[in-house]
Amino acid sequence: SQTIHQWPATLVQPVGSPLSLECTVEGTSNPNLYWYRQAAGRGLQLLFYSVGIGQISSEVPQNLSASRPQDRQFILSSKKLLLSDSGFYLCAWTNGYEQYFGPGTRLTVT
Amino acid sequence: AQTVTQSQPEMSVQEAETVTLSCTYDTSESNYYLFWYKQPPSRQMILVIRQEAYKQQNATENRFSVNFQKAAKSFSLKISDSQLGDTAMYFCAFRWSTGNQFYFGTGTSLTVIP
Repeated sequence: SQTIHQWPATLVQPVGSPLSLECTVEGTSNPNLYWYRQAAGRGLQLLFYSVGIGQISSEVPQNLSASRPQDRQFILSSKKLLLSDSGFYLCAWTNGYEQYFGPGTRLTVT
Repeated sequence: AQTVTQSQPEMSVQEAETVTLSCTYDTSESNYYLFWYKQPPSRQMILVIRQEAYKQQNATENRFSVNFQKAAKSFSLKISDSQLGDTAMYFCAFRWSTGNQFYFGTGTSLTVIP
């Protein structure tokens, strides 16, 4: 069966510090991968998606970037965090039909 | 971009009763998928049910069923025999059959009252 992992689960970072969130999927190959951000009590904002290694589509211009160094690994990064980057970050993958989500990372920028 | 509208920000239902959550969407395409996701307080997003647009029969998963009205572009979720564990945020989502992106509504917060 397929499993999706995200870490860390919780992160508190100061403004201006770098960020690296990691997502890995097990039990499947060549999945489409996605990063979403969710503000408290709000809906999902698509940040990036990837259909293959090295292929990244950006939906929202901002100080975040994404990379896919391996088939089942998706990384969300920032060189300098802003207060507005606080939120709940969800990684997801699709088998071509449904989308399955990881447990999420709660990021607080102080 | 696709539009998915959930017009009920908050709803409540008595335990064991039935509740219906509304969702409408806008598309000119004929081949697509619709989904309902549940996000409990743990914030883990869980797929509840899926509907293919080419299927006329409404999808059902145990106590969860949908009322899919393709012409009206409506996709409502009915929860029967509501349980306390159904308390969650519910998101409606849309995806073209040939597309990579999923489009989500703003969510409906459902509270089941004991």
